[in-house]
Amino acid sequence: NAGVTQTPKFRVLKTGQSMTLLCAQDMNHEYMYWYRQDPGMGLRLIHYSVGEGTTAKGEVPDGYNVSRLKKQNFLLGLESAAPSQTSVYFCASSYSSGEVTGELFFGEGSRLTVL
Amino acid sequence: GQNIDQPTEMTATEGAIVQINCTYQTSGFNGLFWYQQHAGEAPTFLSYNVLDGLEEKGRFSSFLSRSKGYSYLLLKELQMKDSASYLCASMDSNYQLIWGAGTKLIIKP
Repeated sequence: NAGVTQTPKFRVLKTGQSMTLLCAQDMNHEYMYWYRQDPGMGLRLIHYSVGEGTTAKGEVPDGYNVSRLKKQNFLLGLESAAPSQTSVYFCASSYSSGEVTGELFFGEGSRLTVL
Repeated sequence: GQNIDQPTEMTATEGAIVQINCTYQTSGFNGLFWYQQHAGEAPTFLSYNVLDGLEEKGRFSSFLSRSKGYSYLLLKELQMKDSASYLCASMDSNYQLIWGAGTKLIIKP
């Protein structure tokens, strides 16, 4: 029963390097999300997707890109990493209808450090 | 604007009761959620309220007052494993969650 799986769990980058975080879910959820979590702040939505082939910007999209080529996968890319992107990144998924979309299923998180 | 406020940290004793408060300002309110997050782990869903009143689920209960923009999470018979952060989140008119910074609950023996 995998649920939501994120890879990698940890990564250290140098400023200017690029990388991709992979999120996979096996619950057949329509909605998928990428959040970042920083000390003293609430979870902040980076990008989200309401279905295969669709993506939308969240609260803090700058510096990130996403793709949802397959329903089960949601990729988060950093084209040119900056120290401000040091954070813990969480992927989440949910069902698609109304208030049920608020019950999110989260991956274990990916801790990214940009030097 | 949209805003969620909850205390940064609370301390309680094993076996006791604790109430974690949350106030919110959300455009087009569609419900209030509570999540639990143990240190170094992912948040997990605890409860959902959209109507006024108390929802009970075992040792945990959640209350909502829409007119006051207020919710609380009540934890009874505290256990050491309840030491965690508790995240309050409101759902806006676009069914997006607005998250509070979380309340770190420390349980002492």
